[in-house]
Amino acid sequence: QVQLQASGPGLVKPSQTLSLTCTVSGGSTSSTSSYWSWIRQPAGKGLEWIGRIYTSGSTSYNPSLKSRVTISVDTSKNQFSLKLSSVTAADTAVYYCARDPMKGGYFDNWGQGALVTVSS
Amino acid sequence: DIVMTQSPDSLAVSLGERVTINCKSSQSVLCSSNNKDCLTWYQQKPGQPPKVLIYWASTRESGVPDRFSGSGSGTDFTLTISSLQAEDVAVYYCQHYYGTPPMYTFGQGTKLEI
Repeated sequence: QVQLQASGPGLVKPSQTLSLTCTVSGGSTSSTSSYWSWIRQPAGKGLEWIGRIYTSGSTSYNPSLKSRVTISVDTSKNQFSLKLSSVTAADTAVYYCARDPMKGGYFDNWGQGALVTVSS
Repeated sequence: DIVMTQSPDSLAVSLGERVTINCKSSQSVLCSSNNKDCLTWYQQKPGQPPKVLIYWASTRESGVPDRFSGSGSGTDFTLTISSLQAEDVAVYYCQHYYGTPPMYTFGQGTKLEI
């Protein structure tokens, strides 16, 4: 069973950059049969896919966030990371990291989520 | 952009009753890579991440009780719980995947209560 754990600052000031890291265990970010994604969920609201990365470093982003998002992978540490720039209060959410096993575009393993609050 | 619309937004059902949740896509959800419907159902309980129940519209994930089933094709899909159990109280989401360019789109969720 693949386990994922998101970590990073829980409080970010407006206009700054949100940074989170997802550590993978029981699986490998070097896997050629997985995509690694970030998904967020504001309190009491629905789920929004942010973007994904493949072991090669190839990325895809949600067009609504693309101009502010960077996802990277460090296979030596078995981690992948999210940077979201120029944040506002609207970016306050629980941020999940998750794995797509490349079987049909779904997420079979999720981290517990990291709450990030944007506030001065 | 593909829009996934679930109905109802919420429902209250008695234990043992049958539950039906609908998901409608604004476009076909057929995956070009494998000719299957790329439609997934998740269950999310409070304070937890979503858990996959059904993928490819009707394939039950390993370990998911068989009271959960998925059906539908094209643009209209249904999640059915044959006999509601107390532990099924949750929010249920449908999700579509489009491969070119990659995009994962969730429905707005259906809150199921007893």
